[in-house]
Amino acid sequence: GAVVSQHPSRVICKSGTSVKIECRSLDFQATTMFWYRQFPKQSLMLMATSNEGSKATYEQGVEKDKFLINHASLTLSTLTVTSAHPEDSSFYICSARRTGFSDTQYFGPGTRLTVL
Amino acid sequence: AQKVTQAQTEISVVEKEDVTLDCVYETRDTTYYLFWYKQPPSGELVFLIRRNSFDEQNEISGRYSWNFQKSTSSFNFTITASQVVDSAVYFCALSDPWTTNDYKLSFGAGTTVTVRA
Repeated sequence: GAVVSQHPSRVICKSGTSVKIECRSLDFQATTMFWYRQFPKQSLMLMATSNEGSKATYEQGVEKDKFLINHASLTLSTLTVTSAHPEDSSFYICSARRTGFSDTQYFGPGTRLTVL
Repeated sequence: AQKVTQAQTEISVVEKEDVTLDCVYETRDTTYYLFWYKQPPSGELVFLIRRNSFDEQNEISGRYSWNFQKSTSSFNFTITASQVVDSAVYFCALSDPWTTNDYKLSFGAGTTVTVRA
């Protein structure tokens, strides 16, 4: 149990386009989902916390208008990178906190974004 | 101030050697949670263990064992008889919900383990 999927696993796009990444909890409900960004050989950096039915809470320094997060259901959160630029190229990882098992996050496989 | 410190950046061992990964944390909460995750080359983080602050019993799961010492704020991880498949980046993480008012994880910088055949 506790499987989280992400789609797509890899995406290459042109500068200026928008990219949407989906995060789904497949076998449990997730009141809270988290979005992270990871640069090569670095740790995970939390971008935002997403609660179902409410606005996301962004970490300091993360642009809300650039990284749009929607958490419309208990099993789906989306991250949209708007007007992507090469510096947005990174590995994006989501996690889901299992409702009722509040302190453990289960991670998706990640999405490798390359902006040309 | 960094909440989770993994002082070892890289460790390289030969197969069948034991390897211990250090993790030191900092929090003012009396109730908190500690985690270890494994990130193999594929990139997906794999949950290994969760420990709450009231449970100081050491734990063993197969070749993995964890040593939680509240007195030194450490939560070390040992892989016994390492195998090539253990090669990965290992992250220690802390959740202190009463301080942060949510369940965000603070990750350490990670330790890259390379097991050579």
